Amino acid sequence: LAKTTQPISMDSYEGQEVNITCSHNNIATNDYITWYQQFPSQGPRFIIQGYKTKVTNEVASLFIPADRKSSTLSLPRVSLSDTAVYYCLVGEMDSNYQLIWGAGTKLIIKP
Amino acid sequence: NAGVTQTPKFRVLKTGQSMTLLCAQDMNHEYMYWYRQDPGMGLRLIHYSVGEGTTAKGEVPDGYNVSRLKKQNFLLGLESAAPSQTSVYFCASSYPAEREPSNPSYGEQFFGPGTRLTVL
Repeated sequence: LAKTTQPISMDSYEGQEVNITCSHNNIATNDYITWYQQFPSQGPRFIIQGYKTKVTNEVASLFIPADRKSSTLSLPRVSLSDTAVYYCLVGEMDSNYQLIWGAGTKLIIKP
Repeated sequence: NAGVTQTPKFRVLKTGQSMTLLCAQDMNHEYMYWYRQDPGMGLRLIHYSVGEGTTAKGEVPDGYNVSRLKKQNFLLGLESAAPSQTSVYFCASSYPAEREPSNPSYGEQFFGPGTRLTVL
């Protein structure tokens, strides 16, 4: 299976925009790209999902290029409470279908 | 609504013992998933189900079995526990896409609080 890769960690400051990119070279044709947030000792929580181009909701935007081999989660004006681990999730087709999570990006927001 | 609940929250087993983890959801979701998360790592899919009576293997199915006899419940069994199965286990559920009912990647997955399992 091709790996889904994302940066291990990122730092930013309150009020800044943060962009986290995930590479997913083997994404299945009909599959969606989803991003989750996880705090310590909790299950992941859904942030946003898209298939192509750009999706925006009340907390984030998701940018997906035409080849769909990567995606970028954009968090506008982050706050200290956005310190968490962020995961991308895609479906991949190899010998059989699989749901593959990235290893996660630990985002630390500084005051 | 309770959402997704998991039983038990913590468990310590000895090597070779068996146990069953129970996941229950009250959102009438079709899809259910079992994941494991090792320290400092992402989630890995063990098994999933796209409907009552159906199950499929995920990325790391060896050593685990599952059953989905009722739509609201998804059971994960460890037949003979090994220290390598020490992990946090998460259950999740989601609804299918209207236009793509067999696409497990669609939709928001709702997660339970997790079960912390230690195998000695």
